[in-house]
Amino acid sequence: DAGVTQSPTHLIKTRGQHVTLRCSPISGHKSVSWYQQVLGQGPQFIFQYYEKEERGRGNFPDRFSARQFPNYSSELNVNALLLGDSALYLCASSFTGDADTQYFGPGTRLTVL
Amino acid sequence: KQEVTQIPAALSVPEGENLVLNCSFTDSAIYNLQWFRQDPGKGLTSLLLIQSSQREQTSGRLNASLDKSSGRSTLYIAASQPGDSATYLCAVGPAGNNRKLIWGLGTSLAVNP
Repeated sequence: DAGVTQSPTHLIKTRGQHVTLRCSPISGHKSVSWYQQVLGQGPQFIFQYYEKEERGRGNFPDRFSARQFPNYSSELNVNALLLGDSALYLCASSFTGDADTQYFGPGTRLTVL
Repeated sequence: KQEVTQIPAALSVPEGENLVLNCSFTDSAIYNLQWFRQDPGKGLTSLLLIQSSQREQTSGRLNASLDKSSGRSTLYIAASQPGDSATYLCAVGPAGNNRKLIWGLGTSLAVNP
């Protein structure tokens, strides 16, 4: 059974552009969470979705948005990119998003020039 | 506000040693605690999940303990191997409706052959 998959693996954008990152959860998992990890830091929570509803939001500006589709896959969108948005973006899935284990994808490495 | 601290920040040991990684948290009202492994530039691999009602979890050469009252968790790695070299992160799931994980900065482990 496939694990959490994310696309693309790497991405290079320039300031002001828009980016869409994609995540497919493990089959049967209904919760997807997004994290931003800057080099040398721990992951920072961005969003959690469960059954297509936003369940939680971290301290990120409105330039960051996300959605979850009926098949439980998810997109993270970032508008008006800044240099500081350069990071590894991680997606995690779990059955309920509560007390169960979160399984992480390999991440998308975003570089903003 | 929950804060998670991991000590030491970096550790270098010879192959075969038993070692302990420490994680401390400031608010004992937690739902669960997870230990993850991250290889350079890669995503996160869940190692062990301890529910708040549990004291420890074991998987192979890994053992994680949880002492909520003192706000501490330890990850014990027995008979370390070069393949164990990675960054180990602990993440706390706080009690309450907000289920976002609070992360430590990690311990960078190097096991030398």
